[in-house]
Amino acid sequence: GQQLNQSPQSMFIQEGEDVSMNCTSSSIFNTWLWYKQDPGEGPVLLIALYKAGELTSNGRLTAQFGITRKDSFLNISASIPSDVGIYFCAGQPTLGNTPLVFGKGTRLSVIA
Amino acid sequence: GAGVSQSPSNKVTEKGKDVELRCDPISGHTALYWYRQSLGQGLEFLIYFQGNSAPDKSGLPSDRFSAERTGGSVSTLTIQRTQQEDSAVYLCASSLEGGNGYTFGSGTRLTVV
Repeated sequence: GQQLNQSPQSMFIQEGEDVSMNCTSSSIFNTWLWYKQDPGEGPVLLIALYKAGELTSNGRLTAQFGITRKDSFLNISASIPSDVGIYFCAGQPTLGNTPLVFGKGTRLSVIA
Repeated sequence: GAGVSQSPSNKVTEKGKDVELRCDPISGHTALYWYRQSLGQGLEFLIYFQGNSAPDKSGLPSDRFSAERTGGSVSTLTIQRTQQEDSAVYLCASSLEGGNGYTFGSGTRLTVV
């Protein structure tokens, strides 16, 4: 089945630094989404992208839907301690109303 | 309710026993999904319900796994004859029909000993 390759697997950064993570696939995806998961909770939607080339911001978060429809990135600017968690990319394949495919996540740790 | 509710939040069971995990989706959400999250892994799709259509069971790892959704609302995921490799967090999500902005529950952490 379709797979999403998410990198990096983990990151340790200083508070105030910018962060970048990305997802790639060998298949085209119709929609790209980014979720964040806090410990003991389910993932929460951060940003949804629906068109190739789309660049969308949500506060300090910016995400882009790649032109080839096979990749997406998420940037976090000026990180703060509450940014700690696991970030997942997710994509919806082009074949109809199919369930989201998720990457393996990027575990972010912020050092104050 | 306001969100997706899952119960129990934690379950420890002996190898070989059956377990049932429950999911209450957001009222009005016609789509319901079960995913499994193993340690260090992403979310693995298990099964998908959409309205009155036949469920998409393509992600179920073996015939020990089954799920049903009664009255288009509450769903139960059943694992028979549990094995240690079934230990994981089982996440349920719901969405509006055709929507991909899933709302997840907090999950059930299953430990098979």
